[in-house]
Amino acid sequence: DAGVTQSPTHLIKTRGQQVTLRCSPKSGHDTVSWYQQALGQGPQFIFQYYEEEERQRGNFPDRFSGHQFPNYSSELNVNALLLGDSALYLCASSLVGGADGYTFGSGTRLTVV
Amino acid sequence: AQKITQTQPGMFVQEKEAVTLDCTYDTSDPSYGLFWYKQPSSGEMIFLIYQGSYDQQNATEGRYSLNFQKARKSANLVISASQLGDSAMYFCAMTFYKAAGNKLTFGGGTRVLVKP
Repeated sequence: DAGVTQSPTHLIKTRGQQVTLRCSPKSGHDTVSWYQQALGQGPQFIFQYYEEEERQRGNFPDRFSGHQFPNYSSELNVNALLLGDSALYLCASSLVGGADGYTFGSGTRLTVV
Repeated sequence: AQKITQTQPGMFVQEKEAVTLDCTYDTSDPSYGLFWYKQPSSGEMIFLIYQGSYDQQNATEGRYSLNFQKARKSANLVISASQLGDSAMYFCAMTFYKAAGNKLTFGGGTRVLVKP
């Protein structure tokens, strides 16, 4: 039973570039949420996708955008990268409403230089 | 706004002893769920235990138990018989079902180091 799969595991980008992170949810889950975790801090909610639409959004600028595909997988895109975007990006999948709990992937560690 | 506070940035515990990790929260929402996650150095968030705000009994999962004091708005995690593999970051997180949908709000975490 595959859990949540994220790719790539590590990424190094230059300021001003754009990046796309990918997430495949746990089998049977239909909702995907993205979190940003800066070093030494707790994860911060970026946004959540359900039925291919953004359902909720945290306090992140429009440079952060996403997409959910018909197979429930999701992408997180960040444009015009800043040094402060360096973080661990975690994807969590769940059933709508969270009834089955939240399953996290191992994350993508993004370094912006 | 809802807020989760973990006041212990780090702590040492002797192997085989119990450890209590503190978590307090601030909300006026009557409907919420509480989670504890373990995050080893690999980065993955590993689910440990869940408690709903309307649950009458404190949750227990193996060596993990939750000391849920609703009136005091605290939800402390107790790990019994600590093992070396318990060394990790531990996060308290909550879902506020009415006010904020089902996103998770996390505390700042507590780093636990188990000594042999």
